[in-house]
Amino acid sequence: GENVGLHLPTLSVQEGDNSIINCAYSNSASDYFIWYKQESGKGPQFIIDIRSNMDKRQGQRVTVLLNKTVKHLSLQIAATQPGDSAVYFCAETPFTGKLIFGQGTTLQVKP
Amino acid sequence: GAGVSQSPSNKVTEKGKDVELRCDPISGHTALYWYRQSLGQGLEFLIYFQGNSAPDKSGLPSDRFSAERTGGSVSTLTIQRTQQEDSAVYLCASSSTSGGRDTQYFGPGTRLTVL
Repeated sequence: GENVGLHLPTLSVQEGDNSIINCAYSNSASDYFIWYKQESGKGPQFIIDIRSNMDKRQGQRVTVLLNKTVKHLSLQIAATQPGDSAVYFCAETPFTGKLIFGQGTTLQVKP
Repeated sequence: GAGVSQSPSNKVTEKGKDVELRCDPISGHTALYWYRQSLGQGLEFLIYFQGNSAPDKSGLPSDRFSAERTGGSVSTLTIQRTQQEDSAVYLCASSSTSGGRDTQYFGPGTRLTVL
Protein backbone atom coordinates (compact mmCIF):
# COMPACT_ATOMS: atom_id res chain seq x y z
CA GLY A 1 0.00 0.00 0.00
CA GLU A 2 0.93 3.62 0.09
CA ASN A 3 3.49 4.59 2.65
CA VAL A 4 5.47 7.44 3.94
CA GLY A 5 8.96 6.55 5.02
CA LEU A 6 11.86 8.21 6.72
CA HIS A 7 15.44 7.85 5.56
CA LEU A 8 17.15 7.72 8.96
CA PRO A 9 15.79 6.16 12.12
CA THR A 10 18.06 8.16 14.44
CA LEU A 11 19.74 11.52 14.03
CA SER A 12 22.26 12.79 16.56
CA VAL A 13 23.29 16.46 16.47
CA GLN A 14 25.26 18.84 18.61
CA GLU A 15 23.37 21.54 20.45
CA GLY A 16 23.35 24.69 18.37
CA ASP A 17 23.78 22.89 15.05
CA ASN A 18 21.08 22.71 12.42
CA SER A 19 19.11 19.48 12.00
CA ILE A 20 17.63 18.09 8.83
CA ILE A 21 15.11 15.26 8.98
CA ASN A 22 14.07 13.67 5.71
CA CYS A 23 10.96 11.90 4.56
CA ALA A 24 9.90 10.18 1.36
CA TYR A 25 6.31 9.72 0.33
CA SER A 26 4.88 7.54 -2.37
CA ASN A 27 1.35 8.78 -2.96
CA SER A 28 1.41 11.30 -5.77
CA ALA A 29 -2.15 12.31 -4.89
CA SER A 30 -1.07 13.66 -1.51
CA ASP A 31 -1.52 17.40 -1.36
CA TYR A 32 -1.02 18.17 2.31
CA PHE A 33 1.91 17.28 4.53
CA ILE A 34 2.54 17.72 8.21
CA TRP A 35 5.46 17.32 10.58
CA TYR A 36 4.73 16.20 14.12
CA LYS A 37 6.99 16.03 17.15
CA GLN A 38 6.39 13.36 19.75
CA GLU A 39 8.03 13.43 23.14
CA SER A 40 8.12 10.36 25.32
CA GLY A 41 4.73 9.56 26.83
CA LYS A 42 2.92 12.27 24.92
CA GLY A 43 0.79 12.49 21.84
CA PRO A 44 2.20 13.96 18.61
CA GLN A 45 2.42 17.73 18.56
CA PHE A 46 1.92 19.72 15.37
CA ILE A 47 5.06 21.51 14.19
CA ILE A 48 4.45 22.77 10.69
CA ASP A 49 2.49 21.89 7.59
CA ILE A 50 2.76 22.55 3.88
CA ARG A 51 0.40 22.24 0.96
CA SER A 52 1.42 20.86 -2.39
CA ASN A 53 1.18 24.24 -4.10
CA MET A 54 4.17 25.38 -2.07
CA ASP A 55 7.76 24.16 -1.94
CA LYS A 56 8.88 25.89 1.23
CA ARG A 57 7.33 27.11 4.41
CA GLN A 58 9.00 28.64 7.42
CA GLY A 59 8.02 28.73 11.04
CA GLN A 60 9.83 29.63 14.18
CA ARG A 61 13.24 27.92 13.87
CA VAL A 62 11.70 25.32 11.56
CA THR A 63 11.46 25.11 7.80
CA VAL A 64 9.69 22.48 5.73
CA LEU A 65 10.75 21.83 2.16
CA LEU A 66 8.67 19.91 -0.34
CA ASN A 67 10.04 18.47 -3.55
CA LYS A 68 7.14 16.99 -5.47
CA THR A 69 9.36 15.87 -8.33
CA VAL A 70 11.10 13.30 -6.18
CA LYS A 71 8.34 13.04 -3.56
CA HIS A 72 10.56 14.23 -0.77
CA LEU A 73 9.83 16.23 2.35
CA SER A 74 12.31 17.59 4.84
CA LEU A 75 12.20 19.36 8.17
CA GLN A 76 14.99 21.73 9.05
CA ILE A 77 15.47 22.84 12.64
CA ALA A 78 17.78 25.78 13.18
CA ALA A 79 20.01 26.04 16.24
CA THR A 80 18.86 22.73 17.65
CA GLN A 81 18.21 22.75 21.37
CA PRO A 82 17.99 19.93 23.94
CA GLY A 83 14.23 20.47 24.05
CA ASP A 84 14.07 19.47 20.42
CA SER A 85 14.98 15.90 21.33
CA ALA A 86 12.01 13.78 20.34
CA VAL A 87 10.68 11.52 17.61
CA TYR A 88 9.65 13.37 14.48
CA PHE A 89 7.00 12.04 12.14
CA CYS A 90 6.06 13.21 8.72
CA ALA A 91 2.50 12.59 7.60
CA GLU A 92 0.63 12.95 4.35
CA THR A 93 -3.00 13.07 3.49
CA PRO A 94 -4.02 12.06 -0.02
CA PHE A 95 -7.68 12.43 0.77
CA THR A 96 -10.10 13.54 3.39
CA GLY A 97 -9.60 12.52 6.96
CA LYS A 98 -6.73 10.08 7.06
CA LEU A 99 -3.19 10.96 7.89
CA ILE A 100 -0.61 8.46 6.74
CA PHE A 101 2.38 8.54 9.05
CA GLY A 102 5.96 7.54 8.48
CA GLN A 103 7.89 5.42 10.94
CA GLY A 104 9.56 8.33 12.71
CA THR A 105 13.07 9.67 13.22
CA THR A 106 14.54 10.01 16.66
CA LEU A 107 16.42 13.27 17.09
CA GLN A 108 19.05 13.27 19.83
CA VAL A 109 20.61 16.57 20.79
CA LYS A 110 23.99 16.36 22.46
CA PRO A 111 24.86 19.16 24.89
CA GLY B 1 -11.35 21.87 27.41
CA ALA B 2 -7.94 23.15 26.55
CA GLY B 3 -6.93 20.10 24.58
CA VAL B 4 -7.86 16.57 23.65
CA SER B 5 -8.13 14.35 26.69
CA GLN B 6 -8.14 10.58 26.86
CA SER B 7 -8.90 8.11 29.60
CA PRO B 8 -7.62 5.99 31.08
CA SER B 9 -3.99 6.89 30.56
CA ASN B 10 -3.01 3.27 31.12
CA LYS B 11 -5.03 0.09 30.89
CA VAL B 12 -3.84 -3.40 31.71
CA THR B 13 -6.20 -6.21 30.84
CA GLU B 14 -6.23 -9.94 30.41
CA LYS B 15 -6.49 -11.62 27.07
CA GLY B 16 -10.11 -12.15 26.11
CA LYS B 17 -11.50 -9.22 28.09
CA ASP B 18 -13.26 -6.24 26.53
CA VAL B 19 -11.91 -2.71 26.99
CA GLU B 20 -13.30 0.77 26.38
CA LEU B 21 -11.12 3.76 25.70
CA ARG B 22 -12.51 7.28 25.92
CA CYS B 23 -11.68 10.44 24.01
CA ASP B 24 -12.87 13.98 24.73
CA PRO B 25 -12.05 16.18 21.73
CA ILE B 26 -11.42 19.89 21.76
CA SER B 27 -14.71 21.70 22.22
CA GLY B 28 -16.21 22.67 18.89
CA HIS B 29 -14.09 20.32 16.80
CA THR B 30 -16.27 18.45 14.36
CA ALA B 31 -13.78 15.81 13.27
CA LEU B 32 -12.40 13.07 15.51
CA TYR B 33 -9.84 10.41 14.70
CA TRP B 34 -8.47 7.29 16.35
CA TYR B 35 -4.97 5.97 15.69
CA ARG B 36 -2.92 3.12 17.08
CA GLN B 37 0.80 3.32 17.74
CA SER B 38 2.77 0.19 18.40
CA LEU B 39 6.10 0.41 20.22
CA GLY B 40 8.65 2.27 18.16
CA GLN B 41 6.32 2.59 15.21
CA GLY B 42 4.39 5.28 13.44
CA LEU B 43 0.69 5.88 13.82
CA GLU B 44 -1.82 3.60 12.18
CA PHE B 45 -5.18 5.12 11.22
CA LEU B 46 -8.19 3.33 12.69
CA ILE B 47 -11.37 5.37 12.26
CA TYR B 48 -12.55 8.89 11.46
CA PHE B 49 -15.74 10.70 12.47
CA GLN B 50 -16.93 13.87 10.78
CA GLY B 51 -20.07 15.52 12.06
CA ASN B 52 -23.14 13.42 11.42
CA SER B 53 -21.66 11.59 8.47
CA ALA B 54 -21.09 7.86 8.52
CA PRO B 55 -17.64 7.21 10.00
CA ASP B 56 -14.73 6.02 7.90
CA LYS B 57 -13.95 2.66 9.49
CA SER B 58 -11.52 1.49 6.86
CA GLY B 59 -8.58 1.31 9.28
CA LEU B 60 -10.14 -0.93 11.90
CA PRO B 61 -8.03 -4.12 11.94
CA SER B 62 -10.83 -6.54 12.77
CA ASP B 63 -14.47 -6.74 13.77
CA ARG B 64 -13.37 -6.86 17.40
CA PHE B 65 -12.76 -3.13 17.10
CA SER B 66 -15.60 -0.61 17.10
CA ALA B 67 -16.06 3.04 17.93
CA GLU B 68 -18.89 5.39 18.66
CA ARG B 69 -19.17 9.11 18.90
CA THR B 70 -22.12 10.34 20.90
CA GLY B 71 -23.63 13.76 20.45
CA GLY B 72 -20.88 14.78 18.10
CA SER B 73 -18.42 15.03 20.96
CA VAL B 74 -17.08 12.23 23.15
CA SER B 75 -15.93 9.05 21.47
CA THR B 76 -15.41 5.55 22.80
CA LEU B 77 -13.19 2.95 21.15
CA THR B 78 -14.14 -0.59 22.16
CA ILE B 79 -11.96 -3.63 21.70
CA GLN B 80 -13.70 -6.93 22.31
CA ARG B 81 -11.95 -10.17 23.26
CA THR B 82 -8.58 -8.44 23.46
CA GLN B 83 -5.49 -10.17 22.11
CA GLN B 84 -1.85 -9.60 22.99
CA GLU B 85 -1.24 -8.02 19.60
CA ASP B 86 -3.74 -5.30 20.56
CA SER B 87 -1.17 -3.93 23.02
CA ALA B 88 -0.29 -0.44 21.86
CA VAL B 89 -0.88 3.23 22.55
CA TYR B 90 -4.25 4.36 21.26
CA LEU B 91 -4.29 8.01 20.25
CA CYS B 92 -7.24 10.24 19.60
CA ALA B 93 -7.12 13.48 17.63
CA SER B 94 -9.61 16.15 16.67
CA SER B 95 -9.71 18.94 14.12
CA SER B 96 -11.94 21.91 13.61
CA THR B 97 -13.36 21.27 10.18
CA SER B 98 -13.87 18.57 7.62
CA GLY B 99 -11.73 17.87 4.63
CA GLY B 100 -8.67 16.44 6.30
CA ARG B 101 -6.75 19.61 5.63
CA ASP B 102 -6.84 21.05 9.09
CA THR B 103 -4.41 20.41 11.87
CA GLN B 104 -5.18 17.36 13.95
CA TYR B 105 -4.54 17.89 17.64
CA PHE B 106 -3.67 14.78 19.55
CA GLY B 107 -4.44 13.63 23.04
CA PRO B 108 -1.82 11.97 25.27
CA GLY B 109 -3.02 8.50 24.39
CA THR B 110 -4.09 5.41 26.30
CA ARG B 111 -1.44 2.75 26.73
CA LEU B 112 -3.12 -0.64 26.50
CA THR B 113 -1.34 -3.74 27.71
CA VAL B 114 -2.94 -7.12 27.13
CA LEU B 115 -1.47 -9.85 29.27
